[in-house]
This record gives sequence, structure tokens and C-alpha cells, in this order.
Amino acid sequence: DAGVIQSPRHEVTEMGQEVTLRCKPISGHNSLFWYRQTMMRGLELLIYFNNNVPIDDSGMPEDRFSAKMPNASFSTLKIQPSEPRDSAVYFCASSSRTGVHGYTFGSGTRLTVV
Amino acid sequence: GENVEQHPSTLSVQEGDSAVIKCTYSDSASNYFPWYKQELGKRPQLIIDIRSNVGEKKDQRIAVTLNKTAKHFSLHITETQPEDSAVYFCASLSGAGSYQLTFGKGTKLSVIP
Repeated sequence: DAGVIQSPRHEVTEMGQEVTLRCKPISGHNSLFWYRQTMMRGLELLIYFNNNVPIDDSGMPEDRFSAKMPNASFSTLKIQPSEPRDSAVYFCASSSRTGVHGYTFGSGTRLTVV
Repeated sequence: GENVEQHPSTLSVQEGDSAVIKCTYSDSASNYFPWYKQELGKRPQLIIDIRSNVGEKKDQRIAVTLNKTAKHFSLHITETQPEDSAVYFCASLSGAGSYQLTFGKGTKLSVIP
């Protein structure tokens, strides 16, 4: 298995532009999580899905952020419009309800908004 | 909801010494406690975990202990090596059908050669 796949690895964009981050979870995993990591705030859970359904989006900072999971193998996190304070590393993780409950993280997307 | 506190935030040890990182949790229903290691510029990776029906678990130079009564768990690294330098995160999974891990703020471990 290739693990959790995120794209792009790096994104530099200008303030006000739309940014879309993508994630492919591990096949067979039915829970997917989006995290944001910064030096100041550590790992923050933004939203998570179970069986493609959003369960808890209380961590989404504001309406500029939205996430979708149209099927079991794909999810997106969109920021529109982006702001410099959105600059962070965004991680996607997936897990299975059977077996161990640990998450497998993707390699992350380093977002820089200038 | 669950709250996980992690200490210390930074830790420096001499190569060969032991390192201990401690975490406390608030939800007595929590039943699974993983530890993640994140090297600079890389993803967090699961290194060891423990379930609530076990008090201690060991894997070569790393071990975790769990005290359910006190609601705290610890990571122990013995004979530290420079490649152990990283940020370590503890986490807990609440019971009652929860899917969500709650992470501590992380400990930056530096092993000095």
C-alpha cells in the first residue's frame, strides 16, 4: 500500500486565491482526518469523516475553509479566499475502525500564502 | 471533550541517557494511547501504542507505561541516539465509539552527541 497520499507537497499562492488540497486515504480505511500544524498551535484537527460523512467540523477555523469527501478514496480541503495566516502544513490522516486505531498520516502539504 | 497535556515541551539529553515524556488525559473512558514521532519536515509516524487493559509495553529501546487511575501515560526511551531527535506527540482515543484522537502539544527531544 502506498499509504496516505497528499497533493501537492508544496503550494505557494497569493492572498485571496483559492487553494485546494487533496488526499487519498489508505484503501479500506473508513475514517479520514484533516489536520493543520503550526509552531504556535501544534496539530489542530480541522474536520473528520467517517464512511465519507463529515462527523465533526468544529475545528474548521472559519467559513473560508471547506472539506468534501465525495467517495471513499478521495477528499479535498479548500480555502477560499486564502490569507497569510493560513500558512501551515496541512496533514491528512486515515484510520480503520477495525484493528488498531492509530492514524496513518500523509506527507503533508506545506502551504504558503503571500 | 478530551484534554491531553504533555510535558516537557522541550527535552535535551546526552547520547546514551534516558528520556521520559509524560502525558495526562482527562476522559476516564479513553482506552487507546498512541505515541507519534515527527522528524523535521516529515509526517508524524506511529512508534508505539498501548491499550487501557495493559500497564506497560516495550519495543526495543522504547516503552510506554499507563496508569489508568491517575490518568497518565509516559514514553521512555533508553540509550538515546542522535536519530531519536524529533518531536514526539502523545494522543488518546476516547471510548464510546469515538474515532478521534486528541493529541498533546508535542515534546521536542534533542539528543546531544
